[in-house]
Amino acid sequence: DGGITQSPKYLFRKEGQNVTLSCEQNLNHDAMYWYRQDPGQGLRLIYYSQIVNDFQKGDIAEGYSVSREKKESFPLTVTSAQKNPTAFYLCASFRDTPSYGYTFGSGTRLTVV
Amino acid sequence: AQSVTQLDSQVPVFEEAPVELRCNYSSSVSVYLFWYVQYPNQGLQLLLKYLSGSTLVESINGFEAEFNKSQTSFHLRKPSVHISDTAEYFCAVSERNTPLVFGKGTRLSVIA
Repeated sequence: DGGITQSPKYLFRKEGQNVTLSCEQNLNHDAMYWYRQDPGQGLRLIYYSQIVNDFQKGDIAEGYSVSREKKESFPLTVTSAQKNPTAFYLCASFRDTPSYGYTFGSGTRLTVV
Repeated sequence: AQSVTQLDSQVPVFEEAPVELRCNYSSSVSVYLFWYVQYPNQGLQLLLKYLSGSTLVESINGFEAEFNKSQTSFHLRKPSVHISDTAEYFCAVSERNTPLVFGKGTRLSVIA
């Protein structure tokens, strides 16, 4: 079955360490997105990519980096410059046709101690 | 720029009672509208979406939402809720081929 896989589901890191969250899709979708979710804040856009080897900053890109070397993969690195990295991170992909819509992964909960 | 306002952060309701979760949006162009549901520590599941055509859209589990362009609203309704509907609900908007913009969410608690 096609879908989006985020791994790991839970991640613990020490303060000051970089960490990379994985997002893989086998839906053949061109566009992929990273959102951050905090209680009471909804989902806020970190980065997105509409084609391979190209990506754009979202509303809260500071302290994060991404790459899009393959259509299927869109990893997110949380760097030590991110001041408050503990959050729930959601990856999504998008297709325009035949049915306009977004598919979400199951998320990664990152805790920095 | 687009924005979404979910007017209620928490909505408690008794089982088998009706519920309405309110959503207003702002945008200068035509938009696509979505409602998603999230259970604890899970991703988002699409409930329903409005792209064009009939302003009333329905989901397979009894929810419906009506697109009201003049009031820039897309409220979600269910005539009779079940315990299993307890979850967080997100309204989202996008212009064609742009990222989704989300509201802050409404936590629906169904009381037995």
